[in-house]
Amino acid sequence: AQKVTQAQTEISVVEKEDVTLDCVYETRDTTYYLFWYKQPPSGELVFLIRRNSFDEQNEISGRYSWNFQKSTSSFNFTITASQVVDSAVYFCALSEGGRDDKIIFGKGTRLHILP
Amino acid sequence: NAGVTQTPKFRVLKTGQSMTLLCAQDMNHEYMYWYRQDPGMGLRLIHYSVGEGTTAKGEVPDGYNVSRLKKQNFLLGLESAAPSQTSVYFCASRGQGMVVNTEAFFGQGTRLTVV
Repeated sequence: AQKVTQAQTEISVVEKEDVTLDCVYETRDTTYYLFWYKQPPSGELVFLIRRNSFDEQNEISGRYSWNFQKSTSSFNFTITASQVVDSAVYFCALSEGGRDDKIIFGKGTRLHILP
Repeated sequence: NAGVTQTPKFRVLKTGQSMTLLCAQDMNHEYMYWYRQDPGMGLRLIHYSVGEGTTAKGEVPDGYNVSRLKKQNFLLGLESAAPSQTSVYFCASRGQGMVVNTEAFFGQGTRLTVV
């Protein structure tokens, strides 16, 4: 069965520091997809990135970067030079593709960026 | 383009009452999902649908029923509400791609309180 673990329940950093959010996943499939979503205090869920299991290239988007390592079943998310607006709950999620494609989420990491 | 719309946004129920939450999407997506979000528990999948007329159980299906009579709508029913069903409910939809399915698009959420 698919499973996502976000071991960090809550993190606080001072503005401008870098911070990494960890995500470890479990799946028996060789084809799968990983996601990160952001939930700001306003409550909506904002899509950040999707990565498929065949693409281990790391990705950078502005201050955000993602490190996908199949060898350790991890898909970590780093925010560089954090800002107060980055304060949110961040969710990692996994889907196994195929016809019966459901998305399973981790419990989330609440990130506080202190001014 | 409305995306995913949930009705209602807020609701207070008495224990034992029934209600239906409506999710409507205008993106012609095949997949639809219902999640509940509770503090510290992340997003847990209740039920999902891989196409019109189909439904399947997720991680926490007990106490809920769903129907997908039309492709654009996914209804979540509570037959006899219990205080344990107090939560924020999110609906999501997802398109079926040629190679990979899209990310999930979420509604704004429904805050349900059962007293």
